[in-house]
Amino acid sequence: QKEVEQNSGPLSVPEGAIASLNCTYSDRGSQSFFWYRQYSGKSPELIMSIYSNGDKEDGRFTAQLNKASQYVSLLIRDSQPSDSATYLCAVNPPSGTYKYIFGTGTRLKVLA
Amino acid sequence: GAGVSQSPSNKVTEKGKDVELRCDPISGHTALYWYRQSLGQGLEFLIYFQGNSAPDKSGLPSDRFSAERTGGSVSTLTIQRTQQEDSAVYLCASSPGLGDNNEQFFGPGTRLTVL
Repeated sequence: QKEVEQNSGPLSVPEGAIASLNCTYSDRGSQSFFWYRQYSGKSPELIMSIYSNGDKEDGRFTAQLNKASQYVSLLIRDSQPSDSATYLCAVNPPSGTYKYIFGTGTRLKVLA
Repeated sequence: GAGVSQSPSNKVTEKGKDVELRCDPISGHTALYWYRQSLGQGLEFLIYFQGNSAPDKSGLPSDRFSAERTGGSVSTLTIQRTQQEDSAVYLCASSPGLGDNNEQFFGPGTRLTVL
């Protein structure tokens, strides 16, 4: 089992819809979770971080964390064609190891 | 500086040559990370630094890879006797420190092509 799993996609949604991206992780003691957006040919750009169970909202983005079920998700409201990119989930395992574990990413396509 | 910078942006080299990649982190960030991303693949952790020390070198693929950081700032990743499988984008990231809640910010990367 991979440490951080994401559906590779592509996930296609119409413009204006809600895009839902999911990520599961294997290390139950993980404490910190991050979502990055990566446009083709570019480097990852941090969108959001989340550390506590529940929802965290930032503009059109909402991150959701459920540590009991070991998943973290990212919702993008009012999706725009400019949101088309690969979304990477990163997990910081328990304290003492500082390397992030990245998923392989979900490719999102927002159709105009 | 405003963000993480890396140089060169592109590097084409011949198999067997040595290459040196440079990363300049965000000013004041004490932690620095190197990753590798092959075409269509996820990010592969290589090494991280806290200050000038590298507590975790576990991700370096072979002894041809080495990295150093001096003055707690700029870092260089050196690949000796490059092989074609070393072709990838090498990404550097920095964070204010280590610890659970430290967000990593990435540089633009260096695209390495080994012919």
